Amino acid sequence: AAGVIQSPRHLIKEKRETATLKCYPIPRHDTVYWYQQGPGQDPQFLISFYEKMQSDKGSIPDRFSAQQFSDYHSELNMSSLELGDSALYFCASSPITSGGNYEQYFGPGTRLTVT
Amino acid sequence: DAKTTQPPSMDCAEGRAANLPCNHSTISGNEYVYWYRQIHSQGPQYIIHGLKNNETNEMASLIITEDRKSSTLILPHATLRDTAVYYCIVRVDEGAQKLVFGQGTRLTINP
Repeated sequence: AAGVIQSPRHLIKEKRETATLKCYPIPRHDTVYWYQQGPGQDPQFLISFYEKMQSDKGSIPDRFSAQQFSDYHSELNMSSLELGDSALYFCASSPITSGGNYEQYFGPGTRLTVT
Repeated sequence: DAKTTQPPSMDCAEGRAANLPCNHSTISGNEYVYWYRQIHSQGPQYIIHGLKNNETNEMASLIITEDRKSSTLILPHATLRDTAVYYCIVRVDEGAQKLVFGQGTRLTINP
């Protein structure tokens, strides 16, 4: 079965640079979520999109922005990177319109290292 | 979303049943109990969820107490590959609801 695809899987950036993470949800999933997991931490919700509109927002820094495109893929844009942004970034998708089946399916994550 | 409480760590012998408890005493009537697990640095994986009836699937069983204030995830025959952090999450089942991950239980399966 198709899974959530994230790219790149690994990314190394320097402080103050920008980064773009991409997420391709499972086919026919119309909702995308982004989570950040710092070293030794639990995943923390950043932002979500349903049908290309932002549906919820968590503890996402103002330096970060995200959007969902017409093909339902999503991109997380991160600017002015800081050392503390080094983390695993997970994307998840779920099929909101399938009659109550709301479990989220996670991708393998992008490991961002800021030096 | 209701707060959950789980033991920080547990051990279980390979081949035995692993029983992971979760307390959610402030759960609301419309909140479901979800279980996810995260194997080291992989994306969290959905296991099972339920409202008030016990549930079973190919991965696990979920036992919810009658007052819904606690639940137990059961892995019937644990294998080494079940070593992971297990998260119990309560949330309403509507719309694009985020998952709020708490501390979780680090389950270690020993040979």
